[in-house]
Amino acid sequence: KQEVTQIPAALSVPEGENLVLNCSFTDSAIYNLQWFRQDPGKGLTSLLLIQSSQREQTSGRLNASLDKSSGRSTLYIAASQPGDSATYLCAGAGGSNYKLTFGKGTLLTVNP
Amino acid sequence: GAVVSQHPSWVICKSGTSVKIECRSLDFQATTMFWYRQFPKQSLMLMATSNEGSKATYEQGVEKDKFLINHASLTLSTLTVTSAHPEDSSFYICSAKIATSGWYFGPGTRLTVT
Repeated sequence: KQEVTQIPAALSVPEGENLVLNCSFTDSAIYNLQWFRQDPGKGLTSLLLIQSSQREQTSGRLNASLDKSSGRSTLYIAASQPGDSATYLCAGAGGSNYKLTFGKGTLLTVNP
Repeated sequence: GAVVSQHPSWVICKSGTSVKIECRSLDFQATTMFWYRQFPKQSLMLMATSNEGSKATYEQGVEKDKFLINHASLTLSTLTVTSAHPEDSSFYICSAKIATSGWYFGPGTRLTVT
């Protein structure tokens, strides 16, 4: 059974700082890995999807990488802004069954 | 990008009544949709996989007679919480997957059972 762990559980940084969020999973047979953002009381916004044949994806100030051999993914946020404050969730799917297993998330606070 | 909508966004009901939540894919067809539940400060837990034209597949521990799922068309799945109790109060989120671009989630439905 796939288990996803996110570290740290919470992170507070000053505006402008670069930061890394970590995600680890127990089953290296991961098919897709996706990072999401969730604002309080809201649904999930997809940030980056890393498909089975890929190792990283970039969008704007965000970069996500996936290392299947070590069972880890990282989300790098450059030049953080107060608007980046949210909970960041990583989720993986094993095989092609489309079932996502979520980590508990990292609560990010970017202070002006 | 792809859009998934949910209705209602929040609902309050009395214990013992039933509540229906709709999930729609607005600009794509989804043969499979997923229903998740999220308790406060917890992550999302998959409840069931909704398959268009066939029965839903429920995760272990989820009561299929309590959480009725109907996927009647390629753009609509519904979750009915039957005989709701306060412990069913939660945030319910649906999602659908597009093969090339991943999962898309609805905005969620906040259910409060009094």
